[in-house]
Amino acid sequence: DSGVTQTPKHLITATGQRVTLRCSPRSGDLSVYWYQQSLDQGLQFLIQYYNGEERAKGNILERFSAQQFPDLHSELNLSSLELGDSALYFCASSPGRGTVYNEQFFGPGTRLTVL
Amino acid sequence: GQSLEQPSEVTAVEGAIVQINCTYQTSGFYGLSWYQQHDGGAPTFLSYNGLDGLEETGRFSSFLSRSDSYGYLLLQELQMKDSASYFCAVGAGGGNKLTFGTGTQLKVEL
Repeated sequence: DSGVTQTPKHLITATGQRVTLRCSPRSGDLSVYWYQQSLDQGLQFLIQYYNGEERAKGNILERFSAQQFPDLHSELNLSSLELGDSALYFCASSPGRGTVYNEQFFGPGTRLTVL
Repeated sequence: GQSLEQPSEVTAVEGAIVQINCTYQTSGFYGLSWYQQHDGGAPTFLSYNGLDGLEETGRFSSFLSRSDSYGYLLLQELQMKDSASYFCAVGAGGGNKLTFGTGTQLKVEL
């Protein structure tokens, strides 16, 4: 158990809908990272927040947005969902702005299925 | 940008030694890491190489050659529980962004 929690574990929704995924980092960690893992694209970095501020951006679609709240939990919002958005979404955390020795602590993931 | 190449699948027998290779192309290099992911599970950190050479952690070792943009993960005394996917990852952009390889599925057989 990494100490990172994600809810919900599974989410099934329809195309065109909007969903929110939630992540709580390990106690004391200030950075939260979001990743998307699909069969054809592998593990893709989406976005990082550090202490409430956006820190780094990856291949995140405009339909997706994220934020980190004062209590450091983070939410990933996915809107106008398409079939191709079906994937496993992971949240990870680390103590500082960057990662020491590239070590990030991953949550159990949210499996999103878009029908 | 960054790209990493790994073999898609490796099969070995219990008790054997296996090496999983990773070649990378990156602008701005902040070390090579390895992560393990069991089916349906979360990636977990295994090792990190920031400088050339071998790092050993128990049954697992990882090697890096920055001049060759190449690294490998060596797993010794394979156990059935080592059956998983293994990802190499490079850090860039101050280490904030981790770019992962496509993953190598290791199957350990009796």
